[in-house]
Amino acid sequence: QKEVEQDPGPLSVPEGAIVSLNCTYSNSAFQYFMWYRQYSRKGPELLMYTYSSGNKEDGRFTAQVDKSSKYISLFIRDSQPSDSATYLCAMRSPPGGSQGNLIFGKGTKLSVKP
Amino acid sequence: DVKVTQSSRYLVKRTGEKVFLECVQDMDHENMFWYRQDPGLGLRLIYFSYDVKMKEKGDIPEGYSVSREKKERFSLILESASTNQTSMYLCASTDPWDHGYTFGSGTRLTVV
Repeated sequence: QKEVEQDPGPLSVPEGAIVSLNCTYSNSAFQYFMWYRQYSRKGPELLMYTYSSGNKEDGRFTAQVDKSSKYISLFIRDSQPSDSATYLCAMRSPPGGSQGNLIFGKGTKLSVKP
Repeated sequence: DVKVTQSSRYLVKRTGEKVFLECVQDMDHENMFWYRQDPGLGLRLIYFSYDVKMKEKGDIPEGYSVSREKKERFSLILESASTNQTSMYLCASTDPWDHGYTFGSGTRLTVV
C-alpha cells in the first residue's frame, strides 16, 4: 500500500460547482497536512495547511482532516476557471531527520469549464 | 516572500552530456530538495540536504548527484544525461518547522 493515495482524475466540473478532492494515507504518524496547487508548467504553491484533525477555511477553500479514517479533503466552493490546475496533497510526521520530509500524493488534475 | 529560483526554465541537452541544474533560495532555509515530476508518477524525490555539504539520497538517486557548497545554493548534476532523464525538475526549500515547502518554477529538461 502506498503511503499516500490520490485519484489522478482528470476531474472536469462546470463553473460554480463545488469540488471535492481527497487523499487517503496509511501512516498514522502524519500530523501535518497540506494542499498544493500547481498550474501548468509552474512549480507547486502551498494552498492550505492543517495541523492534526479538523477543518480550516480560507475563502472558497476548506481543508478537512479525519485522522481516525486517515482521510483528508479539499473543498472548493463556487469553482472558477482560474481554479483549473493540478492539486497535490502532502503530509508529514513531526520534523526529525528524513521522517519529517513531505510525502506527496500524485495530484488530481482539475478543469473548471466556463 | 520566500523565493526559490531555478536558473533555467527550459533546457535541451544531448545524451551523454553533463548537466547542471542550479537552485538558489533567499530565505536562509536549512533544508533543500530536488524532485522530478513525470505524468502519472507524481513528484519523486531525488536528493535532499539538511545543511551545507550534507546530502541524502531520496527515492531515485541513480544517475544524479548533488552539491551544496553554500547554504542558499543546491545544485543537481546529471553526470551523463540519458533520454529517460527527460522530465520536469523542481527544487524546493524549507526550515524544519515551516508549513510546507516553497518550490521553484521548475526546469523542463529534454535530453535528445
